[in-house]
Amino acid sequence: AQTVTQSQPEMSVQEAETVTLSCTYDTSENNYYLFWYKQPPSRQMILVIRQEAYKQQNATENRFSVNFQKAAKSFSLKISDSQLGDTAMYFCAFMPAQGGSEKLVFGKGTKLTVNP
Amino acid sequence: DAGVIQSPRHEVTEMGQEVTLRCKPISGHNSLFWYRQTMMRGLELLIYFNNNVPIDDSGMPEDRFSAKMPNASFSTLKIQPSEPRDSAVYFCASSWNMWGQETQYFGPGTRLLVL
Repeated sequence: AQTVTQSQPEMSVQEAETVTLSCTYDTSENNYYLFWYKQPPSRQMILVIRQEAYKQQNATENRFSVNFQKAAKSFSLKISDSQLGDTAMYFCAFMPAQGGSEKLVFGKGTKLTVNP
Repeated sequence: DAGVIQSPRHEVTEMGQEVTLRCKPISGHNSLFWYRQTMMRGLELLIYFNNNVPIDDSGMPEDRFSAKMPNASFSTLKIQPSEPRDSAVYFCASSWNMWGQETQYFGPGTRLLVL
C-alpha cells in the first residue's frame, strides 16, 4: 500500500520570503502522479500543482514549484514570494497511474502560516 | 464553468436521523469520489464511481453508509442512522478518467455535525 508522509505539521514564513514544504512517499509503482492541494480556512480543497512521475522536469505554477526526486521518493513544494493568502493547510497526495485505480492517498498535511 | 457543487454546505442533525449529502460533478467528468475529513484520520476516500458504477467502496465505514450515482450529473451519500462519530467534513470530487487528465477537483464540502 502506498503511504505519504509530511514530516512538518506546522511551518511559518515571513511575507515575501520563500518556504519549502516536504513530502515523501512509499510505493512500488513506477508510473504515478503527485499533487499538492491547498486548503485555506474556508475548507475548500484547491489544486496547487501536479507532477507526472515519468517527467523529469519539475512542475511549476507561477510562484509554486516542486522538487521531484523520484529515486528518493521525495516531492517538496517551494513557495516563492509568500503572500498572506498562502496561509493554509497543504496536502501532498499520490495516485497510481496504472491498474485502474484512481485513489488519491493524502499525507496528514502541513499548516503554513504567512506572517506580515 | 461551474465546479463541483455540493449541498448542503452545513448540516446539523441528531443521532439516529438519516442524513443525505448531494453532489453534482463537473460536466463531462466521468469519475466521482466521496472523501471524509476528520482531525483524527485526515482525508479518507470513502467510495468512487467511474461512469456511474461504484469501483471501490472499501473505505465506506460500515453498513450505515451508502452511496449512489443514478446518472452522470448526480450522486448521493447517505448515512442512516447517523452517529456523533460521523461528524466530519465530507468532500465530493470529480475527474476525467483519461491518461493525463486524472486530476481530481473538489467541491466546497459539507460540514456535518451529529449531536
